[in-house]
Amino acid sequence: DAMVIQNPRYQVTQFGKPVTLSCSQTLNHNVMYWYQQKSSQAPKLLFHYYDKDFNNEADTPDNFQSRRPNTSFCFLDIRSPGLGDAAMYLCATSRDHTGVLNQPQHFGDGTRLSIL
Amino acid sequence: GNSVTQMEGPVTLSEEAFLTINCTYTATGYPSLFWYVQYPGEGLQLLLKATKADDKGSNKGFEATYRKETTSFHLEKGSVQVSDSAVYFCALSDRRNTGFQKLVFGTGTRLLVSP
Repeated sequence: DAMVIQNPRYQVTQFGKPVTLSCSQTLNHNVMYWYQQKSSQAPKLLFHYYDKDFNNEADTPDNFQSRRPNTSFCFLDIRSPGLGDAAMYLCATSRDHTGVLNQPQHFGDGTRLSIL
Repeated sequence: GNSVTQMEGPVTLSEEAFLTINCTYTATGYPSLFWYVQYPGEGLQLLLKATKADDKGSNKGFEATYRKETTSFHLEKGSVQVSDSAVYFCALSDRRNTGFQKLVFGTGTRLLVSP
């Protein structure tokens, strides 16, 4: 059974039109992450939530926002998508904040975003 | 900053061939090292990990040894199968002052195994 579910798998939006990507988890994990993965590049962390605490990476553009209304759901909002934002967006969870060592990150299958 | 360098792909092998995917890292301190695998159309899955020097991680016939002296964590498998075709990512944990451990990924190496 899928434990980290991302919807939709493919999303097409227009240049400048706001878009929201969705992630849900059945693991009851405290931490949820959003990564951006461009073609042939490494996944890049955008931000993460530890419970309700939001933690932004220093180089994440202001155009990217996130919401976590409850433990199970987390959303990625792109306010005004540009052509350079076309990428695969990966959601991941982990049980706790302080230990990647014994608490691996569980990834969803990703949402591939295209910008027209 | 910390970084991971992987060999470029694709790596193309015949079934039952020996696999090596090279990974080297640059880090301050003593990071933990990981290999993740991404099968077509799926998310990343943790394949194996090592938390200190000379540790060997292993899973599903794959193994990698944490070599501090050469700052390497090469992935090996003695006999690959068609089902091993995927993209493999090497990663390290980058501990922040807050205790949060961020994963730093390499660019990935695509493996193609033919029958």
